Amino acid sequence: EDKVVQSPLSLVVHEGDTVTLNCSYEVTNFRSLLWYKQEKKAPTFLFMLTSSGIEKKSGRLSSILDKKELFSILNITATQTGDSAIYLCAVASGAGSYQLTFGKGTKLSVIP
Amino acid sequence: EAQVTQNPRYLITVTGKKLTVTCSQNMNHEYMSWYRQDPGLGLRQIYYSMNVEVTDKGDVPEGYKVSRKEKRNFPLILESPSPNQTSLYFCASSHRPGPDRLRYFGPGTRLTVT
Repeated sequence: EDKVVQSPLSLVVHEGDTVTLNCSYEVTNFRSLLWYKQEKKAPTFLFMLTSSGIEKKSGRLSSILDKKELFSILNITATQTGDSAIYLCAVASGAGSYQLTFGKGTKLSVIP
Repeated sequence: EAQVTQNPRYLITVTGKKLTVTCSQNMNHEYMSWYRQDPGLGLRQIYYSMNVEVTDKGDVPEGYKVSRKEKRNFPLILESPSPNQTSLYFCASSHRPGPDRLRYFGPGTRLTVT
């Protein structure tokens, strides 16, 4: 059974701090790893990662994948209160048919 | 505007009364999928479809049915809802024949079964 584990489950930081969110996985026929941000509504797409060692960056957010050690990290620098959300990691897998398995998410709270 | 729509957004129903949650996308996407989200369990895949007339079970398909007669629509059917199906449901779609860049989610349907 495919498994995606995120840590920590929740995190409280002060504005301006840098945070690192972790995602490890065990899946059959890995295709890609995706990160989402979920505020009080549907998840919004952040990044898709398929290759090891290549950093994806968008503003203060960045992410990298390690396919050998089977994990990914999401970094957020200079956090703002608007970064408060649940961050979801998901892994797409499958050779002929495709599934997407989500982790339980990391709840990030940024306090002023 | 590219979007995935779901209806209804909120529904309270009783055990055993059949219901359908509709999902529609206007992007000509091939891949569509349903998820349920529960506290402490995260998002779990119910069913997915890689194209018209092609559907497959996800992780938690029991008690649900789907159909994909047209590319744009992917309804979720609960033939005999039970209280353990109380949840927040999301439909999602992707232009690739798979979830590799799954970025379009519907707004969610909050279902309560009493």
